[in-house]
Amino acid sequence: GNSVTQMEGPVTLSEEAFLTINCTYTATGYPSLFWYVQYPGEGLQLLLKATKADDKGSNKGFEATYRKETTSFHLEKGSVQVSDSAVYFCALSDHGFQKLVFGTGTRLLVSP
Amino acid sequence: NAGVTQTPKFQVLKTGQSMTLQCAQDMNHEYMSWYRQDPGMGLRLIHYSVGAGITDQGEVPNGYNVSRSTTEDFPLRLLSAAPSQTSVYFCASSPGGERNSPLHFGNGTRLTVT
Repeated sequence: GNSVTQMEGPVTLSEEAFLTINCTYTATGYPSLFWYVQYPGEGLQLLLKATKADDKGSNKGFEATYRKETTSFHLEKGSVQVSDSAVYFCALSDHGFQKLVFGTGTRLLVSP
Repeated sequence: NAGVTQTPKFQVLKTGQSMTLQCAQDMNHEYMSWYRQDPGMGLRLIHYSVGAGITDQGEVPNGYNVSRSTTEDFPLRLLSAAPSQTSVYFCASSPGGERNSPLHFGNGTRLTVT
């Protein structure tokens, strides 16, 4: 079946550091890939997405490239801020009607 | 815009009690779904609906019922609560069936079953 694997957290960084959160997936077809972010006490929000191989999704300084050859969709940001502290979820959708499969989430903690 | 509204925000139940988690959206979205979030397990799909009158099971449907009588509302019913149902529940909606449509999430209901 479809699955998503994320790196264990928490990831602890200082402000302005470079961020990478690894995500790999297993899917039978050609999924769409997503990163969602969850701030404390809130629901998940879409951060970025990519719908086919070699697509790059980007938003708010975050980027992720759909790598079919390595089945990966790693999240990166060049310079993190304290306000980026949140839980980040990688997800895939391989079927219609948005039956998303989520990873376990990675908590990011950014200190001043 | 209200978006996706979930009530209540917190709930404590005793084993065997029943309750309904409410979810309403004001965006005229066709697709609605319920997820549960547990530590170390991410989000798992409980039930989903592709339109009024149509529902289907997700990955972990046991112990939960749903109905979709209107486009706006998608309540989740626990008929006999169990401690294993202690979790944070999220309702989500999207405009249609396209797999690329992003989900819009509510702020969640934290349920504790003792």
